[in-house]
Amino acid sequence: EPEVTQTPSHQVTQMGQEVILRCVPISNHLYFYWYRQILGQKVEFLVSFYNNEISEKSEIFDDQFSVERPDGSNFTLKIRSTKLEDSAMYFCASSEGPDGYTFGSGTRLTVV
Amino acid sequence: AQTVTQSQPEMSVQEAETVTLSCTYDTSESNYYLFWYKQPPSRQMILVIRQEAYKQQNATENRFSVNFQKAAKSFSLKISDSQLGDTAMYFCAFSSQGGKLIFGQGTELSVKP
Repeated sequence: EPEVTQTPSHQVTQMGQEVILRCVPISNHLYFYWYRQILGQKVEFLVSFYNNEISEKSEIFDDQFSVERPDGSNFTLKIRSTKLEDSAMYFCASSEGPDGYTFGSGTRLTVV
Repeated sequence: AQTVTQSQPEMSVQEAETVTLSCTYDTSESNYYLFWYKQPPSRQMILVIRQEAYKQQNATENRFSVNFQKAAKSFSLKISDSQLGDTAMYFCAFSSQGGKLIFGQGTELSVKP
């Protein structure tokens, strides 16, 4: 069964550093998403991406965040200057449409 | 704005028994999709079951079934013959034609031997 692959599985970074979280969506999917889950809390939508541009973003997705699909297969989330409150699990997901989503196994980001 | 509410933060059930997790949602749209996701301790998000709003028949996947009440905007998950491996956080989620998933707060289910 096709999978969404996320790397790394766990990243520890110093406050103020930049991090890039990587995702390889399912190849024939058209819609890509990033979600965030702070420990013990619900899963929150960050951004959706379609046709090589952002289609929607949440209030959380401020100027420190950016997304890119640099080579037609990878989908990345960059956090420019990490803060302690960015510590969370970050999930990538892809879909063909609004009726079916496949999630990656997540990247646990720890900011120290 | 669409919202999803899960009013049961924690539930427990004896192995082999049946348990029902509740979910309500709010939307003004007529066509949408509802999902239940399971998140075990590994924190992977696993799709349990999906319901399309325009289908009146309740979805079923083996031991998992839903009770979809469109007028009441209710979407509960029933787990029959509960197994120890069902222990996890369960999230109800909604999506419309716009695509993004909106999640509820989650219900932590413990299956006791």
